[in-house]
Amino acid sequence: ETGVTQTPRHLVMGMTNKKSLKCEQHLGHNAMYWYKQSAKKPLELMFVYNFKEQTENNSVPSRFSPECPNSSHLFLHLHTLQPEDSALYLCASSQASGGATEQYFGPGTRLTVT
Amino acid sequence: AQSVTQLDSQVPVFEEAPVELRCNYSSSVSVYLFWYVQYPNQGLQLLLKYLSGSTLVKGINGFEAEFNKSQTSFHLRKPSVHISDTAEYFCAVSPTDKLIFGTGTRLQVFP
Repeated sequence: ETGVTQTPRHLVMGMTNKKSLKCEQHLGHNAMYWYKQSAKKPLELMFVYNFKEQTENNSVPSRFSPECPNSSHLFLHLHTLQPEDSALYLCASSQASGGATEQYFGPGTRLTVT
Repeated sequence: AQSVTQLDSQVPVFEEAPVELRCNYSSSVSVYLFWYVQYPNQGLQLLLKYLSGSTLVKGINGFEAEFNKSQTSFHLRKPSVHISDTAEYFCAVSPTDKLIFGTGTRLQVFP
């Protein structure tokens, strides 16, 4: 595997379910990100991790819980979601979290909350 | 606060025609500027970026963009598009350590 991978690619869950999204980067990067992409809206940055430490939480509801066990893996744990949480969730990584650094994106997980 | 405006939500164009996708930003500080492309069922891929120096930036797949500080714009251009350029294009600015994206422009290339 190369680049940034995300599993699953599609997920349908009920409002009372608990599920997790997984992201893995094979680029040796030190920073990882979660974004939410909804139709007709700009990408929303959710969380940033640098060297496994969370450095940004963009006022994300607590029903989204990130976990970064090492610099290569990032999880997003989901519980008691709402229908408006349906979206494409994108993971990205970069060498560092500086503004000039290119971010590499995974293909995303399409989440539908029923 | 910084923001990005992509003035066109959709741009239809015929194959081999030129195209310009517009991007304006607002920021009280110096920024880095980016264009990303998203093909169907894929993540975003960097097309080009402006960090400093020459205001004309060349990217992959024949795209280029020009940074205009006085007009706070960073429009993306390609002199002759292909069917395979059909995708969503996102402009982004980075004033500090994170990217702020526009809402995207859907480029649809017709044969």
